Amino acid sequence: NAGVTQTPKFQVLKTGQSMTLQCAQDMNHEYMSWYRQDPGMGLRLIHYSVGAGITDQGEVPNGYNVSRSTTEDFPLRLLSAAPSQTSVYFCASRQEAGELFFGEGSRLTVL
Amino acid sequence: AQSVTQLGSHVSVSEGALVLLRCNYSSSVPPYLFWYVQYPNQGLQLLLKYTSAATLVKGINGFEAEFKKSETSFHLTKPSAHMSDAAEYFCAVSDQDFGNEKLTFGTGTRLTIIP
Repeated sequence: NAGVTQTPKFQVLKTGQSMTLQCAQDMNHEYMSWYRQDPGMGLRLIHYSVGAGITDQGEVPNGYNVSRSTTEDFPLRLLSAAPSQTSVYFCASRQEAGELFFGEGSRLTVL
Repeated sequence: AQSVTQLGSHVSVSEGALVLLRCNYSSSVPPYLFWYVQYPNQGLQLLLKYTSAATLVKGINGFEAEFKKSETSFHLTKPSAHMSDAAEYFCAVSDQDFGNEKLTFGTGTRLTIIP
């Protein structure tokens, strides 16, 4: 059972470039979410989804887009990367009223 | 608004010694409190949670935490540290039980075990 799979694990971008962080889960969870982890700041919620076709903003959504076309996938898009988006990104999923299951993270550096 | 404060960004203990990781919370409503562990190059994993059923909560891998309302604390302990406990630990607070992405996380405590 793969759980929550994130790709890529590492990425280096130049300012202004765009990219998509992929997240897939094979547990048939309705709820999926993206967090960023920065030194000295813990995890902060970027966007989340309560089901296919439904997304909402978290605490720090600016500069990020999401969509949820299938139950399994929840990609996070950076349209124009900025150095402030250098971070470790975690995707998570859960059942309704269930605990969060996290992926292994994607480390992004924006130069 | 809710917040958590983890005292000590780095804690080192000898193998076999007591582990104590501190977490204090602030909440205007009865809180739900969580401890997560992050092993190197892995995602976060739930250790235990407090949901008002019992003030002493036992989790996985021999860890436990005690909710003390008077001290607004939820410290994590383990009687005897093992090398495999080396990881980063996060305390989190929510106004809801499971089924909620909107956790407020602390800044984390990195635990090092000295052989």
